[in-house]
Amino acid sequence: DGGITQSPKYLFRKEGQNVTLSCEQNLNHDAMYWYRQDPGQGLRLIYYSQIVNDFQKGDIAEGYSVSREKKESFPLTVTSAQKNPTAFYLCASSTVERTTDTQYFGPGTRLTVL
Amino acid sequence: GQQVMQIPQYQHVQEGEDFTTYCNSSTTLSNIQWYKQRPGGHPVFLIQLVKSGEVKKQKRLTFQFGEAKKNSSLHITATQTTDVGTYFCAGPFQGGKLIFGQGTELSVKP
Repeated sequence: DGGITQSPKYLFRKEGQNVTLSCEQNLNHDAMYWYRQDPGQGLRLIYYSQIVNDFQKGDIAEGYSVSREKKESFPLTVTSAQKNPTAFYLCASSTVERTTDTQYFGPGTRLTVL
Repeated sequence: GQQVMQIPQYQHVQEGEDFTTYCNSSTTLSNIQWYKQRPGGHPVFLIQLVKSGEVKKQKRLTFQFGEAKKNSSLHITATQTTDVGTYFCAGPFQGGKLIFGQGTELSVKP
């Protein structure tokens, strides 16, 4: 089965701790994305990567870091510098064809910082 | 800046009523995409419109792309409780990013 997996589904952390969210895809997509969603709000882009070993900041990158060492994997680290990290985090992937940038989303990770 | 605006933010309807959400971009788009997110779920791709003035249907859902390729709409005829969720439009912008609208949350009263 092809798709995107994110783990864990729910994550609890103490304030001041860094936490890494996993995202893996076997769709052979070149591009991968991280979004943050707060209750009643849309999707805000954190980071994205169109090729291995390269990534760009999105609209709300402060307090987050990513790596893209493998095509299949795009982990997101929520650092202690992120002032309000409690949110629903969604990973997505897509091809990089100019006219067909449809994104496929993983099930998401709900992060709660206590 | 690059923006995709979507209205309304919330819509409450009685089952059987119609529903429409509107999407406007600050710039001309090469295509527009629509996604649906069920409560507690993740966004799922519904459709992509590419041509100016294009209209596509999926059963009770009708999607339109404006002539100027800057606006779009999603219309649901005779809503059902299974239509509940948040509907997002999104447009691709420079750099390979998709910019999402804020979404319209639809609730359907049986």
